[in-house]
Amino acid sequence: AQSVTQLGSHVSVSEGALVLLRCNYSSSVPPYLFWYVQYPNQGLQLLLKYTSAATLVKGINGFEAEFKKSETSFHLTKPSAHMSDAAEYFCAVSAWSGGYNKLIFGAGTRLAVHP
Amino acid sequence: GAVVSQHPSRVICKSGTSVKIECRSLDFQATTMFWYRQFPKQSLMLMATSNEGSKATYEQGVEKDKFLINHASLTLSTLTVTSAHPEDSSFYICSARSGLGTSYNEQFFGPGTRLTVL
Repeated sequence: AQSVTQLGSHVSVSEGALVLLRCNYSSSVPPYLFWYVQYPNQGLQLLLKYTSAATLVKGINGFEAEFKKSETSFHLTKPSAHMSDAAEYFCAVSAWSGGYNKLIFGAGTRLAVHP
Repeated sequence: GAVVSQHPSRVICKSGTSVKIECRSLDFQATTMFWYRQFPKQSLMLMATSNEGSKATYEQGVEKDKFLINHASLTLSTLTVTSAHPEDSSFYICSARSGLGTSYNEQFFGPGTRLTVL
């Protein structure tokens, strides 16, 4: 069965510092992996996705993630944090169950950005 | 990207009443819609998957009679919380996807509905 683990429920960085949010996955088949961002009282917005093409995936708002099969990881990074990046971030893996393709979400990481 | 709307965005109801939440795909045909529940500061938990014109598939532990899902058209799915109780208070999020369930297609998420049961 597919699953994702996000290391660190809270991450705090200074404005302008590197952002690193960790995600490890478990999958018996080549996975599709996703990072979503959620602002308070809002739905989810897709940041980027890995669907077995390039291992380094670039997304919106300056975020990128690298798929590392040997480490079963898909960590999210951004070189320079902005105050507007403060939000909840979810890593997800696409899973097949009962004939349906669905998303399995990690527990989430809350990113705080301070001046 | 594709747009998914939810209505209402926020609802407060009395215990014992039923509440209907709508999820619409505005610019594409959604063959599959998903309903999630999110408790404060927690992740999204999939409640059910619905395909247009067929019965919803519920996740283990989700009461079918409590959470009624209807996907009558390719652009609309509804979630009805029947006989709501305070423990049903939560943030409900839908997502929609085009294409067949046998292939990968991106899910597009609605903005969510905050349900508070008094």
